[in-house]
Order: sequence, then structure tokens, then C-alpha cells
Amino acid sequence: GNSVTQMEGPVTLSEEAFLTINCTYTATGYPSLFWYVQYPGEGLQLLLKATKADDKGSNKGFEATYRKETTSFHLEKGSVQVSDSAVYFCALSGSNAGGTSYGKLTFGQGTILTVHP
Amino acid sequence: ETGVTQTPRHLVMGMTNKKSLKCEQHLGHNAMYWYKQSAKKPLELMFVYNFKEQTENNSVPSRFSPECPNSSHLFLHLHTLQPEDSALYLCASSQRKQGPTGELFFGEGSRLTVL
Repeated sequence: GNSVTQMEGPVTLSEEAFLTINCTYTATGYPSLFWYVQYPGEGLQLLLKATKADDKGSNKGFEATYRKETTSFHLEKGSVQVSDSAVYFCALSGSNAGGTSYGKLTFGQGTILTVHP
Repeated sequence: ETGVTQTPRHLVMGMTNKKSLKCEQHLGHNAMYWYKQSAKKPLELMFVYNFKEQTENNSVPSRFSPECPNSSHLFLHLHTLQPEDSALYLCASSQRKQGPTGELFFGEGSRLTVL
């Protein structure tokens, strides 16, 4: 079955530091890959996505590249801010070779990020 | 504002109570989901509805009873819960279609505490 593994947290950084949160996956078919973010007291919001190998998703200074050869989708940001403090979830959505989306997401366990001034 | 609204945001109930969580989506989507988020555990998919029909039940105990009267509304009826059912319950919606996007839109969640 499908599975997603994220690096253990929590991650604590100073403002303007470089961020990497590792994510690897196991999946059959042709998955799409996502990063969701959950700010305190809120639901999950889509941060970025990539739908095929070598695609790079980017948003709000965050980037992740879909690496099929290493089955990875690591999240990076060059300079974090205090406002980036949140829980980050890597996820995948399965689809078959015909491209029909299964519509379900398999999530990693989440990584808590805390950024200090 | 994600277009998915959940009520109530917070709920405290005893083990013998009956309560319901409500979710409404204003996005015109055709699929809705209930997820459970517990501390230090991955999000757990509970139920999936496509065009009002339940297509997945991930071995959820019968004390959780979903209802989807139309493609915009989803309920989770709760009765005789246990303290370990305390969690954040997240509703989500998506548009099932050709193509591998699979993006979910989440509500802000209902924080449930079972005493």
C-alpha cells in the first residue's frame, strides 16, 4: 500500500535559517505529491504540489521537487520567518495509469517547525 | 477561508451523550471526507463520500456514524464515545475527476473532548 515517511520533528530554527524537511514515499501507480501546512488552531492548507516526476512545486518561498528515482519530495526554504512556524505534512494521492485520481490522500505524521526571532 | 466550514469548532461531551459534527462546502465539489487528527499520529482517513454515496469506511467503530444528505453537506454523528476518541476531526472536500491532482480542501476542524 501507499505510505509517506517524514523526518522526525520538532524542528527549531532561527529566523532566516535554511529549512529542509525530508519526505520519502512508497506508492504504486503514478502518485501526485503534496505539502500541506497547518497553522496553530487551523485546518490544513495546501502549500504546494507536484503531479509528475521532476516537477517542482513552489509557493511562499517554499520548494519541493518530485524525485521518482529516490522516491522523495523534500521541502526546502532558503530563509524561514517566525510566521512559518506550523506543522508541515507531506502527502501523496494515488492515480492509475489512465490518470484518474483516487481522491484520497495518504499523509505523513507531520513535522512541527518552530522559528525563533 | 477555504470554502469548507465546520461546526462546532469545539465540543465537550460525556461518554453517554449524543452529538453531531457538521461540515458544509461551498466549492461545488463532489467528494467529501472525514479525517481524525490525534496527537503524535498521522491523519487517519475515516470516511469518504462520492456523490453522496459512501465509498470508504476505514474500519471506523460504529459509535461514529456519518451522514451525507447531499454533495455539499456532511455530518458525523457521535454516540457513546470513549475518552480516546478525543481529537481534532477534520472535514475535507475535493473534485473527483480525470487527472492526478487529488487536492483536498480542509475545514478548520472540530476539536472534540470526551470526558
